Amino acid sequence: NAGVTQTPKFRVLKTGQSMTLLCAQDMNHEYMYWYRQDPGMGLRLIHYSVGEGTTAKGEVPDGYNVSRLKKQNFLLGLESAAPSQTSVYFCASSSAMTEQFFGPGTRLTVL
Amino acid sequence: DQQVKQNSPSLSVQEGRISILNCDYTNSMFDYFLWYKKYPAEGPTFLISISSIKDKNEDGRFTVFLNKSAKHLSLHIVPSQPGDSAVYFCAASAEATGNQFYFGTGTSLTVIP
Repeated sequence: NAGVTQTPKFRVLKTGQSMTLLCAQDMNHEYMYWYRQDPGMGLRLIHYSVGEGTTAKGEVPDGYNVSRLKKQNFLLGLESAAPSQTSVYFCASSSAMTEQFFGPGTRLTVL
Repeated sequence: DQQVKQNSPSLSVQEGRISILNCDYTNSMFDYFLWYKKYPAEGPTFLISISSIKDKNEDGRFTVFLNKSAKHLSLHIVPSQPGDSAVYFCAASAEATGNQFYFGTGTSLTVIP
């Protein structure tokens, strides 16, 4: 079992560029989440999904879009990257409201 | 508005002694609490949880205490080991928050050999 994997691990973007972060889980979890971690801010929820085909906004959704076309995948998109989106992004999955399993993170820098 | 707070950014403890990490929350609807441990360049890993119907939960060297009236929980690690050096996050959720977990800002624990 790979658990939760994230692609890519690192990325540098220029302001205005777009990109998609991919999260995959092999635990058959219904729930998937995208967080960002910034110094002194802890983990903040961007978007989440409670099942295939569903998405919902978290605490800090502005500037991001998500899609859950397949149960095992959760994509996070940045349409027009801004320096304020420089962060470490973590994907997580869980069964219902239980502990979450996190991926290793994606370090994104927007210049 | 931070609903879950960890007011100590860092903590240093001697090996073998007790580590106590604290967490406060403001939303009285929270009914499920978790602690995660995070090493550098890795994702957080689940450590221990507690539901609001309990006031204590133990798992080996780790014990979580919940004081609902004070809206406070703490994680005790006894005895502390150098491998426990990491950042610890507390998190909380409630059925009313619709499947969302709220995380604290983390406490960096250093266990000195």
